[in-house]
Amino acid sequence: DSGVTQTPKHLITATGQRVTLRCSPRSGDLSVYWYQQSLDQGLQFLIQYYNGEERAKGNILERFSAQQFPDLHSELNLSSLELGDSALYFCASSVEGLRGGPLSEQYFGPGTRLTVT
Amino acid sequence: GNSVTQMEGPVTLSEEAFLTINCTYTATGYPSLFWYVQYPGEGLQLLLKATKADDKGSNKGFEATYRKETTSFHLEKGSVQVSDSAVYFCALSGGSNYKLTFGKGTLLTVNP
Repeated sequence: DSGVTQTPKHLITATGQRVTLRCSPRSGDLSVYWYQQSLDQGLQFLIQYYNGEERAKGNILERFSAQQFPDLHSELNLSSLELGDSALYFCASSVEGLRGGPLSEQYFGPGTRLTVT
Repeated sequence: GNSVTQMEGPVTLSEEAFLTINCTYTATGYPSLFWYVQYPGEGLQLLLKATKADDKGSNKGFEATYRKETTSFHLEKGSVQVSDSAVYFCALSGGSNYKLTFGKGTLLTVNP
């Protein structure tokens, strides 16, 4: 158990809909990262938050957005869903967030499997 | 930008065989290097890491050495077990943020 929790575990929805994925980081970790895992694209970084602020953006679509709340949990919002958004979405957390120094480790949650029909 | 290339799978071995999964990277500066493992239906777990050149990461019989001259971080294990069957990902973190850049993953199947 990594200490990172994600809900829900599975999500099935229709095209055009909007969903929210939730992540609670490990106790003490200030950074939260979101990744998408799909068969064709592999594991891709979407976005990072540190202590409530956006720190880095990757290949995140404009239809997707995220935020980190004062209690440090994070939500990833996916809207106007398309079939191609079907994937495993992972959240990870780490202590680091400010620039400088090597990354020690990112701890991954079990993922949310999103199926868009 | 940063990139990671790891050998295509799948890799199928018999129990007690020697394992090598090749990983090379492209990055500016001095990235940290990682191997993550994903068991069926689970999230990613850190297997081992190295943060500077010539460092050797090791865990559960797996080893990888950070080779800056060849920009490589190959994963090895002397004697694999059935329980090692999983997908292995090479990854790096470097530059101005801490995001991980992953290779495509290598599926390892170990037969008894």
